Amino acid sequence: GQQVMQIPQYQHVQEGEDFTTYCNSSTTLSNIQWYKQRPGGHPVFLIQLVKSGEVKKQKRLTFQFGEAKKNSSLHITATQTTDVGTYFCAGPGAQKLVFGQGTRLTINP
Amino acid sequence: GAVVSQHPSWVICKSGTSVKIECRSLDFQATTMFWYRQFPKQSLMLMATSNEGSKATYEQGVEKDKFLINHASLTLSTLTVTSAHPEDSSFYICSASRSASSYNSPLHFGNGTRLTVT
Repeated sequence: GQQVMQIPQYQHVQEGEDFTTYCNSSTTLSNIQWYKQRPGGHPVFLIQLVKSGEVKKQKRLTFQFGEAKKNSSLHITATQTTDVGTYFCAGPGAQKLVFGQGTRLTINP
Repeated sequence: GAVVSQHPSWVICKSGTSVKIECRSLDFQATTMFWYRQFPKQSLMLMATSNEGSKATYEQGVEKDKFLINHASLTLSTLTVTSAHPEDSSFYICSASRSASSYNSPLHFGNGTRLTVT
């Protein structure tokens, strides 16, 4: 079945440093979604990318969808302690959304 | 925005008892709801897809007699963990989509239920 691989599994940064998580699919995706889950919380939808090569920004967060629509990335510029959490990418599979393993971001203030 | 309410937030029960978890879409109708299980520091594991008015579709390896799902209306789905055992202790999260094509549209998650079986 379709797989969504996400790296790295963990990332620890100093506050103010940048952070990037990468997502790769075994198949071409019609769209890709990103979610954030704070410690102890539930996943919250961040964004959906649909077009090949699409780039979207939300303040310090930049989301990219690859030209082949098989990979995506989330980049956070100048991390803040509020960015702590686990970031998941997700792509459509067979009648369901397939989630990556997530990247857990911790930040040293 | 789309709001999904899940209740209870946490529950402690004794081994052998059953626990019911409710998931409600408060401001939209959800033909399909999803139930996930999440172990500490791991990803979301889809357990089943709950379809209003019909039987749930369970993922491979999930016992349908153990995890009973009922989707009685367009705004309510319930998950009942029957005869719970300590290995059932986990974080259970429901989600719903506004769209009929739920795997192509954003999911809105409930707050989750932390189940501890003693």
